[in-house]
Amino acid sequence: GENVEQHPSTLSVQEGDSAVIKCTYSDSASNYFPWYKQELGKRPQLIIDIRSNVGEKKDQRIAVTLNKTAKHFSLHITETQPEDSAVYFCAASNSGGSNYKLTFGKGTLLTVNP
Amino acid sequence: ETGVTQSPTHLIKTRGQQVTLRCSSQSGHNTVSWYQQALGQGPQFIFQYYREEENGRGNFPPRFSGLQFPNYSSELNVNALELDDSALYLCASSEAGVRETQYFGPGTRLLVL
Repeated sequence: GENVEQHPSTLSVQEGDSAVIKCTYSDSASNYFPWYKQELGKRPQLIIDIRSNVGEKKDQRIAVTLNKTAKHFSLHITETQPEDSAVYFCAASNSGGSNYKLTFGKGTLLTVNP
Repeated sequence: ETGVTQSPTHLIKTRGQQVTLRCSSQSGHNTVSWYQQALGQGPQFIFQYYREEENGRGNFPPRFSGLQFPNYSSELNVNALELDDSALYLCASSEAGVRETQYFGPGTRLLVL
């Protein structure tokens, strides 16, 4: 089955700096890659996603890139703010498979220091 | 538009007991997926329900079972609770045509003593 590796497990940046979180996946059939933000005690919140027919997607200060050949995708957050502090999870799914399960990485704890 | 809701928010059970967790999907969503999130880990897929039938199961034993109702709400049942079942149980709903795009509820935190 699919396996998703996520790095780093913790990331500390100064406010205004950029943050990058990287994930690799194992199943070449995966074609949908969402990112979730989970604040302490809250639900995972979908912040951005990308499909395999696209190499990059941006939404204000966040962007995601996908390299299908290398089977990796990354989350980029620019001009970080303290409210960006949370655990971020990447996930992968094969939307053409028999079900649409998400396989998650182990998460990255991002701390933005004021 | 109402988001995904779950009940109860917290639950304490003892080993060997049974538990039922409930999920109401977001308006217009007909697919519900259940995940278990252990402390410090990413969510792990338990199973998915679509049109009231189980549509895929992760690596969980048969004592984890579920239901989906005609209004698309869903239940997760766990029998013979074990200490390792202590976790945050999340449900996520999605709509037909984009079932991979899943929106999560707030979760039920289960503690098994």
